[in-house]
Amino acid sequence: KNEVEQSPQNLTAQEGEFITINCSYSVGISALHWLQQHPGGGIVSLFMLSSGKKKHGRLIATINIQEKHSSLHITASHPRDSAVYICAVGRNYQLIWGAGTKLIIKP
Amino acid sequence: GAVVSQHPSWVICKSGTSVKIECRSLDFQATTMFWYRQFPKQSLMLMATSNEGSKATYEQGVEKDKFLINHASLTLSTLTVTSAHPEDSSFYICSARVGSGGAYNEQFFGPGTRLTVL
Repeated sequence: KNEVEQSPQNLTAQEGEFITINCSYSVGISALHWLQQHPGGGIVSLFMLSSGKKKHGRLIATINIQEKHSSLHITASHPRDSAVYICAVGRNYQLIWGAGTKLIIKP
Repeated sequence: GAVVSQHPSWVICKSGTSVKIECRSLDFQATTMFWYRQFPKQSLMLMATSNEGSKATYEQGVEKDKFLINHASLTLSTLTVTSAHPEDSSFYICSARVGSGGAYNEQFFGPGTRLTVL
């Protein structure tokens, strides 16, 4: 079993829909990252969180330390949100990566 | 936020040649830099951890003589792929971290370098 599990692996939705991507982990962590990778390959760090909830624009990330679970939400989704979203947990000063969720938003 | 650059952004080379990839932290000093590799449709894999002024720590299965890492300053780390072969074709990403010890620090990612070996 992978230490970081993401679901779903693939998600296709219509523009405007509310999107949720989930991440569960099985190890003790110091922080959890949500990252976005566009088709060109470049990676952008969206959030780093160790408790509670963070919001940036249309993106919201939550984490429940007791349940070892985090969610990334996108409100009013747009085709430009199409990307791979990666959950990574920080442990011993390194990152353990999830496999990513490929999101496609259709106009 | 902090910016990390990589150069080149893409490179095509012949089999047997060596390729150097630079990773720079532009507006902060990075005590630690990480090198990742990503094959198509796969997750990123950590190759090595590099601390300024010391030898890099390589992950299991990564050949240190093939992937030479130099972290000569707090703003620059280089990865040299020596005697590159087609199977080394991949997307290489670096990240940089501020601080060391104590609390966990955020990593900032470079845009990546796509290497194609013919």
